[in-house]
Amino acid sequence: SQKIEQNSEALNIQEGKTATLTCNYTNYSPAYLQWYRQDPGRGPVFLLLIRENEKEKRKERLKVTFDTTLKQSLFHITASQPADSATYLCALDEYGNKLVFGAGTILRVKS
Amino acid sequence: SAVISQKPSRDICQRGTSLTIQCQVDSQVTMMFWYRQQPGQSLTLIATANQGSEATYESGFVIDKFPISRPNLTFSTLTVSNMSPEDSSIYLCSVAEETQYFGPGTRLLVL
Repeated sequence: SQKIEQNSEALNIQEGKTATLTCNYTNYSPAYLQWYRQDPGRGPVFLLLIRENEKEKRKERLKVTFDTTLKQSLFHITASQPADSATYLCALDEYGNKLVFGAGTILRVKS
Repeated sequence: SAVISQKPSRDICQRGTSLTIQCQVDSQVTMMFWYRQQPGQSLTLIATANQGSEATYESGFVIDKFPISRPNLTFSTLTVSNMSPEDSSIYLCSVAEETQYFGPGTRLLVL
């Protein structure tokens, strides 16, 4: 069966450190993978998209890697800040712009 | 990027009643989606709202329970019919360009 797995436990890190979140998938062959941020009581907000032929994508303090052999994406936030605390969701395209979401990882950055 | 609004933002409803959620986009879009996010879980796609034709429902969701309208390219409604406490959830609409943009969500509590 198709599955998307993200760290189920919350990730607690100290301000200034790099946060690394993992997204693993099975039985998908996505053309691209996306990461979203969701704050409590709000809809997800798009952060980054990485295509299957891209190894790495960066945007300011964010970096995403995509390994289609390992079927894994890593999402990094460098120099993390308390304002980065949120739930981070990965999503794969299935077909026709239809996205399938992982359950998300809660990130808590402590000052 | 698209700006999406939803009404109502939240509601408390009695078992057996129905609620219609509105989604308005500030630009014309081809594809609109409705998601459900149950407490502590990720987003589950309910259906794709097609302009000028019937919505396309995902496995486990049926039109009688979640009727959808899409009268034009900027607006859609989702009705949650004959509600039960299990329908308590956040309902989100989204639009797809290359990435998806989400509305703020409608938080529904069914007593």
